[in-house]
Amino acid sequence: DAGVIQSPRHEVTEMGQEVTLRCKPISGHNSLFWYRQTMMRGLELLIYFNNNVPIDDSGMPEDRFSAKMPNASFSTLKIQPSEPRDSAVYFCASSFAGQYSNQPQHFGDGTRLSIL
Amino acid sequence: DAKTTQPPSMDCAEGRAANLPCNHSTISGNEYVYWYRQIHSQGPQYIIHGLKNNETNEMASLIITEDRKSSTLILPHATLRDTAVYYCIVRAPGGTYKYIFGTGTRLKVLA
Repeated sequence: DAGVIQSPRHEVTEMGQEVTLRCKPISGHNSLFWYRQTMMRGLELLIYFNNNVPIDDSGMPEDRFSAKMPNASFSTLKIQPSEPRDSAVYFCASSFAGQYSNQPQHFGDGTRLSIL
Repeated sequence: DAKTTQPPSMDCAEGRAANLPCNHSTISGNEYVYWYRQIHSQGPQYIIHGLKNNETNEMASLIITEDRKSSTLILPHATLRDTAVYYCIVRAPGGTYKYIFGTGTRLKVLA
């Protein structure tokens, strides 16, 4: 079975450029999560969606970050303009989350982002 | 803040059982305990989860104390490939609840 698919795997770009990270969740999953991991702060939840609707975006660092989920099989995380402090590994995860569901999240392999 | 406390690091001899503890003394009645591991900088890998009964799958066993305030993940025969950071998370069921990752336990399996 295909897991969570993220692209690109690596991204190197210059400060000020727009960066778009992509995620395809596992088919049938209705919740999607974006995380960021750095050495200093560990794994942080940025935003999550349930049934394509953003539920909690309190982890989004600032207005330069935005996330969308136009349909059940695709999500993007955009940074515009990018800054060197945005360098991190970004993970996407998905799960099936009904009202009483305890199903675990499954993570993609991440996008390693470097802003020069 | 994470609702769990784990030792920062542990060593285990290859072939022996690795027992990783987790304290979750403020766990609510409907919160499940989840375990993940992260090898190098790969995405976190789901291992096992449970509510109050002990659970076992092909990867590990999960022992939850009767008062549910702590749990132990057991890797019965650790191999070098089990070297990773292991995270214990508590979370309520439903689509509006999220994981909060702590700092985890860095397990090193020694040859």
